[in-house]
Amino acid sequence: AQSVTQLGSHVSVSEGALVLLRCNYSSSVPPYLFWYVQYPNQGLQLLLKYTTGATLVKGINGFEAEFKKSETSFHLTKPSAHMSDAAEYFCAVSRNEKLTFGTGTRLTIIP
Amino acid sequence: DTAVSQTPKYLVTQMGNDKSIKCEQNLGHDTMYWYKQDSKKFLKIMFSYNNKELIINETVPNRFSPKSPDKAHLNLHINSLELGDSAVYFCASSRGGGGRTDTQYFGPGTRLTVL
Repeated sequence: AQSVTQLGSHVSVSEGALVLLRCNYSSSVPPYLFWYVQYPNQGLQLLLKYTTGATLVKGINGFEAEFKKSETSFHLTKPSAHMSDAAEYFCAVSRNEKLTFGTGTRLTIIP
Repeated sequence: DTAVSQTPKYLVTQMGNDKSIKCEQNLGHDTMYWYKQDSKKFLKIMFSYNNKELIINETVPNRFSPKSPDKAHLNLHINSLELGDSAVYFCASSRGGGGRTDTQYFGPGTRLTVL
């Protein structure tokens, strides 16, 4: 069975500070990993995904994530938080065409 | 143009009623999905269709019946609505055929409230 665990249901950072959202996965096969963002009252939007190849993946809005097999992690980072980054972030693992989501992390940006 | 659209955006209804949610995608994708997001924001897949054929059916009560008239549409009909059905329902689509690497594109969601 494949699953993801997001550590921290709420994360608050100051504007301009580093954003770090944690995601660990368990998978019996090489994982395909995704980060999605959900802005208030909207659907989910893909930030980035890891399939194969380079383990550091760059996404939209300045976000990136690094796949670390030894740590079974796929943490999401952004060097400098912006007020517009306030949203819910979901990590997901894919099996066939089925996405299994983590429980989400709400990111709050402090002015 | 909206890539994945859902109607209605909000749906308030009484227990026991039957209601439908419609989804359309104009991306030319072959695969469509329904997800349920509960009050704690937990997202879980319900159904998936590929070219009008059901390929994923999670343990969803049979009061929920998806229907795909063509590959651009996937509707969700719910019979005998219960309080626990209150949630946000998201439709999504993907290219299909790419298996685990396909990106899924989500609609804006339908917030269902059962009174």
